[in-house]
Amino acid sequence: DQQVKQNSPSLSVQEGRISILNCDYTNSMFDYFLWYKKYPAEGPTFLISISSIKDKNEDGRFTVFLNKSAKHLSLHIVPSQPGDSAVYFCAQHPLFNAGGTSYGKLTFGQGTILTVHP
Amino acid sequence: KAGVTQTPRYLIKTRGQQVTLSCSPISGHRSVSWYQQTPGQGLQFLFEYFSETQRNKGNFPGRFSGRQFSNSRSEMNVSTLELGDSALYLCASSLGTSGRNNEQFFGPGTRLTVL
Repeated sequence: DQQVKQNSPSLSVQEGRISILNCDYTNSMFDYFLWYKKYPAEGPTFLISISSIKDKNEDGRFTVFLNKSAKHLSLHIVPSQPGDSAVYFCAQHPLFNAGGTSYGKLTFGQGTILTVHP
Repeated sequence: KAGVTQTPRYLIKTRGQQVTLSCSPISGHRSVSWYQQTPGQGLQFLFEYFSETQRNKGNFPGRFSGRQFSNSRSEMNVSTLELGDSALYLCASSLGTSGRNNEQFFGPGTRLTVL
């Protein structure tokens, strides 16, 4: 079974500096990884994604890096802003569905609470 | 384009009752997935519907069920509520195709409290 782990429960960063959020995963030959941001009492908001055929994807202040040999991905936020303070989840989804067990199923990490101080 | 909507936003029930939650996906999205979020277990997949058919199911007891209508709107039902069912229930919609179009867009959730 796929597993996604975010080993840092929390991260505190100064405004304007870089925030680096990390995620480790198991299994996967051809997977799709996504990052979501979540405020309390709201649903997760999609931020950025990357497929396992790429090493990097960039969208504005957000960049996701994928290290396939280490089975590790990271989200970089530069520069960090106080409005970025939220819980960040990484999630995994197979690119190709095998046996129907992956339809519509994202496997989420436990989340990392990011606090950006002014 | 309107986002994913969920009703009701908050619900309080007592043990043994049943509850029905509703989700309206983004227009054009045919896949609806449901998740349960609790402090201890995080975000866990309940089931997914596509074109009125359940295609996938997570590891939850049979008390948790769902359905999808021809307009892609979906409902989930929890019968014989237990205290442990207290959670934020999230639905997410997507195009439902394989490959890169797997971004799921979430609704605001329904906060269920079981007393």
